Amino acid sequence: DAGVIQSPRHEVTEMGQEVTLRCKPISGHDYLFWYRQTMMRGLELLIYFNNNVPIDDSGMPEDRFSAKMPNASFSTLKIQPSEPRDSAVYFCASSLEVGGGNEQFFGPGTRLTVL
Amino acid sequence: TQLLEQSPQFLSIQEGENLTVYCNSSSVFSSLQWYRQEPGEGPVLLVTVVTGGEVKKLKRLTFQFGDARKDSSLHITAAQPGDTGLYLCADFSNSGYALNFGKGTSLLVTP
Repeated sequence: DAGVIQSPRHEVTEMGQEVTLRCKPISGHDYLFWYRQTMMRGLELLIYFNNNVPIDDSGMPEDRFSAKMPNASFSTLKIQPSEPRDSAVYFCASSLEVGGGNEQFFGPGTRLTVL
Repeated sequence: TQLLEQSPQFLSIQEGENLTVYCNSSSVFSSLQWYRQEPGEGPVLLVTVVTGGEVKKLKRLTFQFGDARKDSSLHITAAQPGDTGLYLCADFSNSGYALNFGKGTSLLVTP
């Protein structure tokens, strides 16, 4: 398996523009997570899905952020409109199970810069 | 959400030296995971510790879980440049589903 795939790897955009980040989880994994990493706050969970259904979106910063998972092999994280404070590395991760010692597999991340 | 504190924040050493990094919490961990994140990549799981007092070894890396399950350490023997990266500890959030990460220890090993 190729692992978790994210695109694009880098995104530079201007304030106010719409940004869409994409993720393909590992085949067969029922759980998908979106995290954001910054120097100040570290890695933070934004939202996670179980069997394509959003379970907990309490980490989504505000209404400008939205995430979808239309099928088991694809998820998007959208920011509209983007702001400079959204600049961060966004990671997608997937896992077969959750809790205990179960492993989450991370993608390589998308580095977002909002000017 | 449980607060995980990692120390030191940064560490720069020369190849061949030994080092220890720490992960602490005021609350008891149900289980704890250590991840390593290399520059430009996502975190990769190194180990999971579950039982108080548990010690696990992964080649030159030794992981220890405190008896009270409130702290953990990672010891690297004879560090190599390939060990460079961000070392993160994580436990499962109150929901039991998503990971709650510390801010990590950034390690640089120079030849």
